Amino acid sequence: QQQVKQSPQSLIVQKGGISIINCAYENTAFDYFPWYQQFPGKGPALLIAIRPDVSEKKEGRFTISFNKSAKQFSLHIMDSQPGDSATYFCAASMGGNEKLTFGTGTRLTIIP
Amino acid sequence: KAGVTQTPRYLIKTRGQQVTLSCSPISGHRSVSWYQQTPGQGLQFLFEYFSETQRNKGNFPGRFSGRQFSNSRSEMNVSTLELGDSALYLCASRYGGQGSLHFGNGTRLTVT
Repeated sequence: QQQVKQSPQSLIVQKGGISIINCAYENTAFDYFPWYQQFPGKGPALLIAIRPDVSEKKEGRFTISFNKSAKQFSLHIMDSQPGDSATYFCAASMGGNEKLTFGTGTRLTIIP
Repeated sequence: KAGVTQTPRYLIKTRGQQVTLSCSPISGHRSVSWYQQTPGQGLQFLFEYFSETQRNKGNFPGRFSGRQFSNSRSEMNVSTLELGDSALYLCASRYGGQGSLHFGNGTRLTVT
């Protein structure tokens, strides 16, 4: 019940296109859903996060869509750029708890 | 402001040895967490310290231990190393109970 399932495992998108990564969770006690971006040789960096009281959050080209009833959330990257090529992780935690449960990651490649 | 600093960046140890990894959090951050990242298991929570007290612990054997000092710096120790302990060990810090996690670039541990 603690798992966060992430798909796809890898994704190739053309420059300027929309990249979409999906995550699903089981534990309804989760109340904080961040997305992290990781480049090779670096630690994960927080990209954007959402709490279940809103259905969408947008920051620049990055949008989280959240569906509480379906227990799913997704990351949309608009106008994808080669610099967005990285591994993306969704995560979830509960009650401000430090412990994050991570998805398995999506390797995103943006091609010219 | 300097980010989370982890030392060393790379370590090679032999099976059966022990190892100590170090983490300096962002100035002012009192909470430090440790995660293990492997290709097979992804990112897994090890433990979290706040004001020198372990506040949360993941599902790792007792060979994995940690501590936090009064200046919030943290160390992680792994005793009796096994081949399966080869991983990227990530430290993350945050200011208090609800802030976002900031990760360091990790220590790459190889056990031979």
